[in-house]
Parts: sequence; C-alpha cells; structure tokens
Amino acid sequence: KAGVTQTPRYLIKTRGQQVTLSCSPISGHRSVSWYQQTPGQGLQFLFEYFSETQRNKGNFPGRFSGRQFSNSRSEMNVSTLELGDSALYLCASSFSFGGYTEAFFGQGTRLTVV
Amino acid sequence: KNEVEQSPQNLTAQEGEFITINCSYSVGISALHWLQQHPGGGIVSLFMLSSGKKKHGRLIATINIQEKHSSLHITASHPRDSAVYICAVGGSNYKLTFGKGTLLTVNP
Repeated sequence: KAGVTQTPRYLIKTRGQQVTLSCSPISGHRSVSWYQQTPGQGLQFLFEYFSETQRNKGNFPGRFSGRQFSNSRSEMNVSTLELGDSALYLCASSFSFGGYTEAFFGQGTRLTVV
Repeated sequence: KNEVEQSPQNLTAQEGEFITINCSYSVGISALHWLQQHPGGGIVSLFMLSSGKKKHGRLIATINIQEKHSSLHITASHPRDSAVYICAVGGSNYKLTFGKGTLLTVNP
C-alpha cells in the first residue's frame, strides 16, 4: 500500500511569490490535514479537508489556503510569500475506525523563502 | 500553558539504556500519537493510543486517560534511535496538537 506522497520535496521561492504544494493520501483515506513545522513554533495545524470540504482551520492568515479534489488529493497554496513562511510543510492522511483516528504522515515539503 | 507538554526536552543516553519520554496533555482527546522524526527527515507515526499499552519491537507506549499522561519507552536503546520524538493529541475533529518534541541522542 503506497504511503502519503508529498510533492515537491524541496522548493525555493522568492518573497512575494506564491507556492502550491501537493499531497496524495493513502488510498481510501478521505481526510487530509496540513501542518507547518518551524524551529521556533514546532508543528502547528493549518487545516483539514474531508470529502472536498474544509472541516477545520488553524490560526494562520488568509494567505494560506487549500483544497481537496474528488480523488482526495489535496493542495495547499501560500500567496505573497514571506521569509517567515520558510518551513517544513507536512500533510497527513487519516481514517477513523471505531471512534479512533489514525494519521499517516508524508515526508514533507521543505520550503525556503529567500 | 501549552496543551501538550513533553519531558525531557533533551535526553542523552548510552547504548543499551532504558529510555522514557513523558507527555502530559490538558484537553480531552480521542487518541494520542507518538511520532518520530530523524534530522532532515519526515515524520513516522510510531503509535496511536486511546487506552492501555502498545508494544512494537523495543518500543512501548502507555497512556493513562484519567491522569492525561502518556509515556514512550525504548528498551535496549541503540544509536539509530537518535531522533526527535513528538507527542500529539487529537480529538474527534482530526486536528492534532503537538508537543515541542524530545531530542534523543543515543551514544555508542
């Protein structure tokens, strides 16, 4: 069974540009969550999508957005990039069984903003 | 106060030692995750717990729901166990809240 696939793995962008990151969940998983990891703040929740609908959102500015397609693949977009957006962006796909949720993480996309 | 507190922040051990990393949380949860992250690497989910105890090889994870506390134990530690170990808690809404992580270094 293929794991969670994130593309690209590494990305360098310039301030003011926008970026789109992609996440393909494990087959059959309908929930995809996105997280940002920085040295100062650690891991923080960005948003979560289920069946093409955003169900939860973290405390990030509107420059951070996402979407999910009918095949459960998800993209996140960051517009007007700032230096502080340099981070490892992780996505996780999840499924629930018996009231419990198990999450599987991708390798992440390391974004550097210069 | 952070919702998820881990201790210690840093841990150095000699190969073969028994290691314990602790996680306390202050919110109601449906599950707790222990994650492992190697330097420069992605995150691997080690355990997902909602009660009791789980064992996988040399790793053991326990959770006490009443005390809102979980521990990750590593028996017979090895240098390849060196990594950051992260505790994360989740409710029914799929949103995970993470601890700051414990940096474990196992010396040969």
